[in-house]
Amino acid sequence: DAKTTQPNSMESNEEEPVHLPCNHSTISGTDYIHWYRQLPSQGPEYVIHGLTSNVNNRMASLAIAEDRKSSTLILHRATLRDAAVYYCILRDVRAQKLVFGQGTRLTINP
Amino acid sequence: ETGVTQSPTHLIKTRGQQVTLRCSSQSGHNTVSWYQQALGQGPQFIFQYYREEENGRGNFPPRFSGLQFPNYSSELNVNALELDDSALYLCASSARLGGTDTQYFGPGTRLTVL
Repeated sequence: DAKTTQPNSMESNEEEPVHLPCNHSTISGTDYIHWYRQLPSQGPEYVIHGLTSNVNNRMASLAIAEDRKSSTLILHRATLRDAAVYYCILRDVRAQKLVFGQGTRLTINP
Repeated sequence: ETGVTQSPTHLIKTRGQQVTLRCSSQSGHNTVSWYQQALGQGPQFIFQYYREEENGRGNFPPRFSGLQFPNYSSELNVNALELDDSALYLCASSARLGGTDTQYFGPGTRLTVL
C-alpha cells in the first residue's frame, strides 16, 4: 500500500480557511486520493476524493499537485464542528480496503 | 435515506468468550467492510463482504469471521476473545462513486474485553 505523510496536528481559528497537507511521493497511476475525517466518538466520515484534477464538493476542496506527489484538503471556512482527525488515504481503484495512517488532528479555536 | 447502523453500541465481555456484532448497510449498498480501531490509532481493515462472499481480508486471525445476508446486512464474529481485542469495531458500506467506491461508516461498537 502506498504511504502518505501528514502532520500530526494542526490548529486554526473559526471562520478561517484551513489547508491540510498530505505527501504521497510513491503514488501510482491507479491510486485515488481519498480524505476521511473522524469526529470524536464517531465513525470516519467521507470528505472528498480525486484522481488527477482538483475537486470541490459541499464540504471541502481537494487540490492535487501536477505530479500527484502531494495534495491539500481545503476547508474554506472552518467551524468548531470541523475539529476532527483528518485522514489522507491512497487507494488503488481495485482495492477493497482503506488503509488509514495516523492522520492529522485538527483543532479549531473559537 | 437511512445510514449505516451498528449494534450494540457498547459491549463488555470476558477473555475467552465469543461476540457477535451487527451492521445494517446504507440503502442500495451491496458491499460491507469491517475495521478494528484501537485507542489512538487509525482503523485497520479486517475483511470485506460482497454479495454474501468474503472479498478480501486483512491481517487478522481466523477467529475473526463474518457473514453477509441477502439484505446486505452483516455480522462480525470474534471467538476466543483476547484482551487486545478491546477496540472500536467499525462497519462501512460501499457504493461506487466516480470510478472508485466510497465507504460510509457506522458509529461503531465499542468492545471491552476484561
